[in-house]
Order: sequence, then structure tokens, then C-alpha cells
Amino acid sequence: QVTLKESGPVLVKPTETLTLTCTVSGFSLSNARMGVSWIRQPPGKALEWLAHIFSNDEKSYSTSLKSRLTISKDTSKSQVVLTMTNMDPVDTATYYCARILWGSYPDYWGQGTLVTVSS
Amino acid sequence: DIQMTQSPSSLSASVGDRVTITCRASQGISNSLAWYQQKPGKAPKLLLYAASRLESGVPSRFSGSGSGTDYTLTISSLQPEDFATYYCQQYYSTPHTFGQGTKLEIK
Repeated sequence: QVTLKESGPVLVKPTETLTLTCTVSGFSLSNARMGVSWIRQPPGKALEWLAHIFSNDEKSYSTSLKSRLTISKDTSKSQVVLTMTNMDPVDTATYYCARILWGSYPDYWGQGTLVTVSS
Repeated sequence: DIQMTQSPSSLSASVGDRVTITCRASQGISNSLAWYQQKPGKAPKLLLYAASRLESGVPSRFSGSGSGTDYTLTISSLQPEDFATYYCQQYYSTPHTFGQGTKLEIK
């Protein structure tokens, strides 16, 4: 079955760079039209789409966060990595990865990982 | 970017009620709309896609409709397990923006 799992630090300091990894199973990142999105949710707030990457390496980023985000994949490890630079306390959120198909919506989601930004 | 505006932001209803949540896009999205249900501490769960197509395993009391810029999610007869927060998301163009959510509470 399809599963996704996020991993990374629980706590980061302001100005640091966050690196999150999404490890997938049940599908291959090399399959045509297959992709992974990253979405976050600050405590008590709405979902915010961050970025996605597809098997052909096509990438897209949030307009407001584009300068701080980088998404990449390692197909051999079944992993998608999201980095976010210059972290700030307002970036405290649960970060989710989710599977998507080209031109489509997230259908399977990871459980999410809470990242707190604090000195 | 396409802005997604959900209304209402919160809603109180009783078991058995029929409820409707609206999502309006700032431009036409050609039915490229998904609805999610989220319960506290859990990841969102896909309910509908392509505005009106029910995801496998989702009860038929959930339905979706709309076209162009205006879309609705309807729950025909609320069940206790339906009290949650609901989000719409457009996937017509990147960035794939979400609505701000509708919290459905028990009256």
C-alpha cells in the first residue's frame, strides 16, 4: 500500500536551514506522472501548499516562499527532500508530504512532522 | 496565484442536519477542485476530487458540485464523525492553493 513518512528535526533555531525528508513506499518516484507535494500547517491555522516535484524533475514552489525553498528527489532511495532556509518562528508548523499525480491532487498523505522554530 | 475563499469559516450544526460549505476561486479552475476533511492531530483526508467525484470509501452523504469559480461541498445528513475542519484546494494551476478552512462544530 502507499505510504509516506516525513522525517527531520523537531526543533530548529531562527536563521537556520530546515531539511525535511519524505520517504515513500508503495509507488515509485520514477513512474511517469508521479510526484510529491509538501504542505504545512501552523498550529490552529490553515493548510499552506509549499512545493511539488514530479518524476520528470519538474518543480514548482509557493510564490511567497520561493526564494527560501528547494525541493529535490532521490529516486533510488524513494525520498523527496525539502529545504527551507532562514527559518523564523512563524515557520513553526506541521509539515506534510503527499503523493500527487501530474495535474492532480494529493491523494495519500504522510502523518506530518511538527517543526518548532525557537532559540 | 489563485485565491480560494471558503465560507463560512465556522458552522454549528446538529446530527442529521444538511450542511453546505462554499469555496470560491479568484478565477476559473475548470472543476480542478478537491475537498479534504481534517480531524485534530490528523492529516487531511481526501473526500472529493474533480469537484464532484467521490473518493473511494467516502460515504455517499458527501457530495460536491459547482463550476467555473464557485463550488460547494454538501453533507446530506450529518453524522457524529463528520464534525471536523474542511478544506478546499484548487489544482488547476500552481501554486495549488487551499481555502482557509471551515470548522464544523456540534450545536
